[in-house]
Amino acid sequence: AQSVTQPDIHITVSEGASLELRCNYSYGATPYLFWYVQSPGQGLQLLLKYFSGDTLVQGIKGFEAEFKRSQSSFNLRKPSVHWSDAAEYFCAVGARNNNDMRFGAGTRLTVKP
Amino acid sequence: GAVVSQHPSRVICKSGTSVKIECRSLDFQATTMFWYRQFPKQSLMLMATSNEGSKATYEQGVEKDKFLINHASLTLSTLTVTSAHPEDSSFYICSAREGNSGANVLTFGAGSRLTVL
Repeated sequence: AQSVTQPDIHITVSEGASLELRCNYSYGATPYLFWYVQSPGQGLQLLLKYFSGDTLVQGIKGFEAEFKRSQSSFNLRKPSVHWSDAAEYFCAVGARNNNDMRFGAGTRLTVKP
Repeated sequence: GAVVSQHPSRVICKSGTSVKIECRSLDFQATTMFWYRQFPKQSLMLMATSNEGSKATYEQGVEKDKFLINHASLTLSTLTVTSAHPEDSSFYICSAREGNSGANVLTFGAGSRLTVL
């Protein structure tokens, strides 16, 4: 069965610092990988996705993620964090012909001034 | 881009009453919609998969008689929490997959916060 692990429950970074959020997945076939962001009391917004091809994918708001098959990872990065990036971030894994996806537990990002 | 609307965004009800939450795809047809439940500071847990014109598929442990799902059209799915109790209080989120898209990209609604008194 597919599963997603986000090892960090809460991360605090200073504004302007770089950010990396970790995501590890378990899946028997080629995974479809996603990162979503959720602001308090809101739904989820897609930041980026990986289906195939270039393992470094660019997303919205200056985020990128790198798929590493050997490490079963899909870590999210941003070179310089802005205060507006404070939110909950979810990694998810799905399959092309599956109807659903599975989410990690989420990482809450706090940005210090 | 694709937009999914959820209504109501917040609802408070008395214990024992039923509450209906709507999920609409505004600018695309969604043959498949999904309902999730999210407890405070936790991840989304898939409750059920809603397929237009057929019965929903419920995840293990989700009571289908408690959480009624209807997907009567290609743009609307509803979740009815029947005989709600305080433990049903939660944040409910729907998502929709556009048409026959094989890319499995989901668009999420903004969520509905249910409080049962």
